[in-house]
Amino acid sequence: QQQVKQSPQSLIVQKGGISIINCAYENTAFDYFPWYQQFPGKGPALLIAIRPDVSEKKEGRFTISFNKSAKQFSLHIMDSQPGDSATYFCAASIAGTASKLTFGTGTRLQVTL
Amino acid sequence: EAGVAQSPRYKIIEKRQSVAFWCNPISGHATLYWYQQILGQGPKLLIQFQNNGVVDDSQLPKDRFSAERLKGVDSTLKIQPAKLEDSAVYLCASSNRPGQGSNEQFFGPGTRLTVL
Repeated sequence: QQQVKQSPQSLIVQKGGISIINCAYENTAFDYFPWYQQFPGKGPALLIAIRPDVSEKKEGRFTISFNKSAKQFSLHIMDSQPGDSATYFCAASIAGTASKLTFGTGTRLQVTL
Repeated sequence: EAGVAQSPRYKIIEKRQSVAFWCNPISGHATLYWYQQILGQGPKLLIQFQNNGVVDDSQLPKDRFSAERLKGVDSTLKIQPAKLEDSAVYLCASSNRPGQGSNEQFFGPGTRLTVL
C-alpha cells in the first residue's frame, strides 16, 4: 500500500495558537517523511522533513513528531501566524529507490487575527 | 539560483484537443518529475526522468499522455486528446540526487489546465 492519509482537511487557528496536522502511512518501507507548504498559485515547497531514526525534529516554529510503531507522523506549528495560512501536504518516500513522493490529500490552514 | 520554470501558467482547451506543457528544471538537476494535482488533492506522480531516461511512468495514462526530456534538461508533457477529467494543475519538479541526501524536490509554479 502506498497511501498516505492526512487529517484534518481544513483547520482554523487563532494567531498565536498551535496548529496540528496528522498523517498516517501503511507502507513500512517508507523512510523519508517531508512536509510541503503550498500557497495559492505556487508550487509546493519543502518545509521540514524527518527520517524514522528520530522521533522528533524541530526547525524554528515547526516540529515533526514521528511514531514509527503507530506509523504516524504529525506537523506542529507553534505560535501560528497569518502568514502560515496555506495548504500543507505530508508525503512519504523510500529513499533508496527512485525517491517517488506519495502525498497526502492536504490540509488547508487558516490563521485568523 | 533560478527555480523551476514552467509555461504556460494557464491553459483552457476544449475536450479532445491536444495541449503541451514545458518545464525547465533547476540547472544541474538530473531528476525531473511531472505531477498532476487535481483540485483538493495532493500531487500525484505521472512520470519521473533521470537525465533523459524514464525511471517511473507507472501512473502515466499512456493512451493519451506522453512526455519527453530531450538532452536531459528541458521536458515537455503532452495530452492528446484531452478529457474533462484532465483538468488539474500540472507541476514539474526537479531534484539533484534522487534516493540520497535530503531527497528534496523543488517544484515549479505549475500549469493550470481547464478542459471544457
